[in-house]
Amino acid sequence: SQQGEEDPQALSIQEGENATMNCSYKTSINNLQWYRQNSGRGLVHLILIRSNEREKHSGRLRVTLDTSKKSSSLLITASRAADTASYFCATVMDTGRRALTFGSGTRLQVQP
Amino acid sequence: KAGVTQTPRYLIKTRGQQVTLSCSPISGHRSVSWYQQTPGQGLQFLFEYFSETQRNKGNFPGRFSGRQFSNSRSEMNVSTLELGDSALYLCASSLALGKMETQYFGPGTRLLVL
Repeated sequence: SQQGEEDPQALSIQEGENATMNCSYKTSINNLQWYRQNSGRGLVHLILIRSNEREKHSGRLRVTLDTSKKSSSLLITASRAADTASYFCATVMDTGRRALTFGSGTRLQVQP
Repeated sequence: KAGVTQTPRYLIKTRGQQVTLSCSPISGHRSVSWYQQTPGQGLQFLFEYFSETQRNKGNFPGRFSGRQFSNSRSEMNVSTLELGDSALYLCASSLALGKMETQYFGPGTRLLVL
């Protein structure tokens, strides 16, 4: 079963705007990862943030993690049409179990 | 370095048949995980293999099984196929260092059960 939910479920913005996606989860985690998926293809890893980190940057991506609220957000700045994809958060629980538990995903559409 | 490869890419089967999917991890990666993606249930973990041993298993019936070979290549098998098994099956590999770290996914095998 899915660990949590993402919102919004769908997001449509114009090129150049920022896109923010939120993820909530239910249990204590070791790390949280964000992945991108284009049109039902394989997942591409974007960024990993550990439970003792609060913020991480990678290029135009900024991820925050609030373990007290069990939530994370992904910000994509200056979006491009090529950013159009589904974005998933995935958690690794702090139990040693080697498995990703995915959220429901956000479908991002960037209009050129 | 070549990425994760999965074969076949597309497959059509009928109810009651069985199917075997193959995954070749990135060279040097020893952990291989399998995930099922459906519109209704989303992405769900099936199992993880390391050094030819299943280390973790998701909540799927026994019809779903897998194995890993000495070269880290992995196969998953689904027996007695049901309509609900129609899905995108994704394989992911990693170096298997400590906790579950970055996973590198293949393009997936899309299975349609008629």
